[in-house]
Amino acid sequence: NAGVTQTPKFQVLKTGQSMTLQCAQDMNHNSMYWYRQDPGMGLRLIYYSASEGTTDKGEVPNGYNVSRLNKREFSLRLESAAPSQTSVYFCASKTQGPHQPQHFGDGTRLSIL
Amino acid sequence: GIQVEQSPPDLILQEGANSTLRCNFSDSVNNLQWFHQNPWGQLINLFYIPSGTKQNGRLSATTVATERYSLLYISSSQTTDSGVYFCAVVGTSGTYKYIFGTGTRLKVLA
Repeated sequence: NAGVTQTPKFQVLKTGQSMTLQCAQDMNHNSMYWYRQDPGMGLRLIYYSASEGTTDKGEVPNGYNVSRLNKREFSLRLESAAPSQTSVYFCASKTQGPHQPQHFGDGTRLSIL
Repeated sequence: GIQVEQSPPDLILQEGANSTLRCNFSDSVNNLQWFHQNPWGQLINLFYIPSGTKQNGRLSATTVATERYSLLYISSSQTTDSGVYFCAVVGTSGTYKYIFGTGTRLKVLA
């Protein structure tokens, strides 16, 4: 029972490079989320997808794009990476309805030089 | 949007001590979760508790939705309880946006 799987776990990029972070869930959840966590801070929502075929901006969407490829997969793309995007990125999913908990992946640690 | 404040920001305990962590939120919520982020960075669901009281072993949580706060109780703390505790809420506006507090960093000393 894998839950939420994120790849890669670690990545180092140079400024200006592009990168796609992958997330897949096997719990048949409708909603998926991308967060970033900066040192000493809580998680901030980048983008979310309430259901397959829809995506919406969160608190900090600038510099990112997302694709809800199918019900299982939700990817996050950095088109031109900047040092300010150095962070730990978490993907999460939940089943439909407001009264359901989120489940998180183990995170992707991304450094941009 | 909803503001979420957690207190205290840092807490150091001796093993065996009890503690109470607080989460205040500025508006009505549909969803409230407590998470533990362990020293390896993994986020572990502790409680889904938009209202009422729940217990799981040495941990329990209470949310008083009408007064807009939630409390997480840790009894007989162990070194494995160390890490950061976050609460996260979803407002009643109909979106699925979670807002996280900045966390309480707990260190339990042996």
